[in-house]
Amino acid sequence: EAGVAQSPRYKIIEKRQSVAFWCNPISGHATLYWYQQILGQGPKLLIQFQNNGVVDDSQLPKDRFSAERLKGVDSTLKIQPAKLEDSAVYLCASSPFRPQGASGNTIYFGEGSWLTVV
Amino acid sequence: GENVEQHPSTLSVQEGDSAVIKCTYSDSASNYFPWYKQELGKGPQLIIDIRSNVGEKKDQRIAVTLNKTAKHFSLHITETQPEDSAVYFCAALISSGSARQLTFGSGTQLTVLP
Repeated sequence: EAGVAQSPRYKIIEKRQSVAFWCNPISGHATLYWYQQILGQGPKLLIQFQNNGVVDDSQLPKDRFSAERLKGVDSTLKIQPAKLEDSAVYLCASSPFRPQGASGNTIYFGEGSWLTVV
Repeated sequence: GENVEQHPSTLSVQEGDSAVIKCTYSDSASNYFPWYKQELGKGPQLIIDIRSNVGEKKDQRIAVTLNKTAKHFSLHITETQPEDSAVYFCAALISSGSARQLTFGSGTQLTVLP
């Protein structure tokens, strides 16, 4: 089974420029997540999609970050304009959907897209 | 929101010894506790998980225990090998409708000395 695919793996941009990251989840996984991992810290959730709808974007800095999952499969995360503090690894993850009440969902992560803002 | 604390931040052991990493969580609504291993330049890889209705789970050299009353859970690695060297993250998940809020600890850098 193929894992979560992400591209590009590495990106260096100047502050105030824009960048976009792409993710293809594990086949059949209805739920897709974007996480931000700053060096030396654990990943933090930015946004969760269920099919092509947003379930939780409370931690997404909406003034500069946007994400979409138009056809319920691939997703794109965009940052515009980038700030120095956006330097981090952007991790895409996916999980199969289980109905309300089920305890726990296994979440699988991709290799990440490493962003350096200079 | 949920808060997960993880200790120690660094851990060095001799090859063949055991390693223990401990985590505490704050929200009793958390019902699923995965552990991830992250090697340099790679994404987090799930190594073991435990659900809130289970007290202990073992998979070969790796085991996890959960104490719901005390809100803490631990990872045990026995017979450590150099390839176990990595950063390990604990996490706690709260499910609310279709929302899945996974909160991570700050990570433990495990070094296994040959």
